[in-house]
Amino acid sequence: AQSVTQLDSHVSVSEGTPVLLRCNYSSSYSPSLFWYVQHPNKGLQLLLKYTSAATLVKGINGFEAEFKKSETSFHLTKPSAHMSDAAEYFCVVTPIGTGTALIFGKGTTLSVSS
Amino acid sequence: EPEVTQTPSHQVTQMGQEVILRCVPISNHLYFYWYRQILGQKVEFLVSFYNNEISEKSEIFDDQFSVERPDGSNFTLKIRSTKLEDSAMYFCASSEAYNSPLHFGNGTRLTVT
Repeated sequence: AQSVTQLDSHVSVSEGTPVLLRCNYSSSYSPSLFWYVQHPNKGLQLLLKYTSAATLVKGINGFEAEFKKSETSFHLTKPSAHMSDAAEYFCVVTPIGTGTALIFGKGTTLSVSS
Repeated sequence: EPEVTQTPSHQVTQMGQEVILRCVPISNHLYFYWYRQILGQKVEFLVSFYNNEISEKSEIFDDQFSVERPDGSNFTLKIRSTKLEDSAMYFCASSEAYNSPLHFGNGTRLTVT
């Protein structure tokens, strides 16, 4: 069975400091992995995706994530947080070749203080 | 940038009533989806739709639910005989191709009283 675990339900950082949102996955197949962001009263926006190409994936708004098969991790990072980064972040997996259903993690709420 | 639009943004209904949630996917997309998020819980897959038929559905998507693409632009989710536990945010999404990233709408918040 495929699953994702987001290790922190809430992360708080100061503006200008690095962001690390942790995600571990479990998949019997080579997975596709995504990070989505949800701002209040908004839909889910794709930040970045990994689909078995480069292990370091760059996304929008300065975010990036590294796929580490040995650690079954796909952590999301950003060198310097901005106030507008405050949102809910979801790590998502879909196994290649076995359907289109996305499996979401529980989400991590990122708070950014000035 | 084209986007997925959902209407209404908030729907309040009484238990036992039927509701239809509407979505307009991105025009050149071929795959359509419904997800839901009960308050405080994970986003859950309900159903995917391709070529005018359901391609995949979850255990949640029982006979109470149905989807339809009544014309070339709309994609609807019908919930019959609503229950209190159907209260959730319902997200529509579309994708260009199989395994392409999904583009989500802003959601419809359904409140069943």
